[in-house]
Amino acid sequence: GQNIDQPTEMTATEGAIVQINCTYQTSGFNGLFWYQQHAGEAPTFLSYNVLDGLEEKGRFSSFLSRSKGYSYLLLKELQMKDSASYLCAYMDSNYQLIWGAGTKLIIKP
Amino acid sequence: DADVTQTPRNRITKTGKRIMLECSQTKGHDRMYWYRQDPGLGLRLIYYSFDVKDINKGEISDGYSVSRQAQAKFSLSLESAIPNQTALYFCATSDTYRDTGELFFGEGSRLTVL
Repeated sequence: GQNIDQPTEMTATEGAIVQINCTYQTSGFNGLFWYQQHAGEAPTFLSYNVLDGLEEKGRFSSFLSRSKGYSYLLLKELQMKDSASYLCAYMDSNYQLIWGAGTKLIIKP
Repeated sequence: DADVTQTPRNRITKTGKRIMLECSQTKGHDRMYWYRQDPGLGLRLIYYSFDVKDINKGEISDGYSVSRQAQAKFSLSLESAIPNQTALYFCATSDTYRDTGELFFGEGSRLTVL
């Protein structure tokens, strides 16, 4: 089946750290993606995890646990420009992306 | 210029009208996709194409059709638009040979059906 969940909205403070969680249930799995989407704009690729563990890329890190059907995106040293929606998606057994509804992240000064 | 270009960017139309959304890309990718995005819902796949002679239905293809005129062009048609097709539509491409399957999106086409 197809089931993927992430929080609808989160608020964090400039300079702080925030963790956005994503859980999924699927019988076939070929990787987990995170995309960033600013309001009114197209999604842009942030990260891809296919093996368990943490992938670090600058201020952003992404973690995957395949046995738990769980991923998170960690954003450090938050900046106002990080205010956006963050989309989680897994690639199923047919190599198609199944998307979560997105988490709107609000950064406050 | 954007690598993936969608036209029109905004369109308001009436129920029953035929609408075409066009997508062109300069990335040289074989794979092209059409998605729609609705508030509170994830991106949903309408159609996808892995090359010029390949067309596949996605999760929500009813009421839509597509044409892959060339490697660089992939059009989405609504033969008779209805209000629940009001949404933000995205075209995307990906590289067959890239392990991550990363998608590159166009800027979106906002369609309103009255």
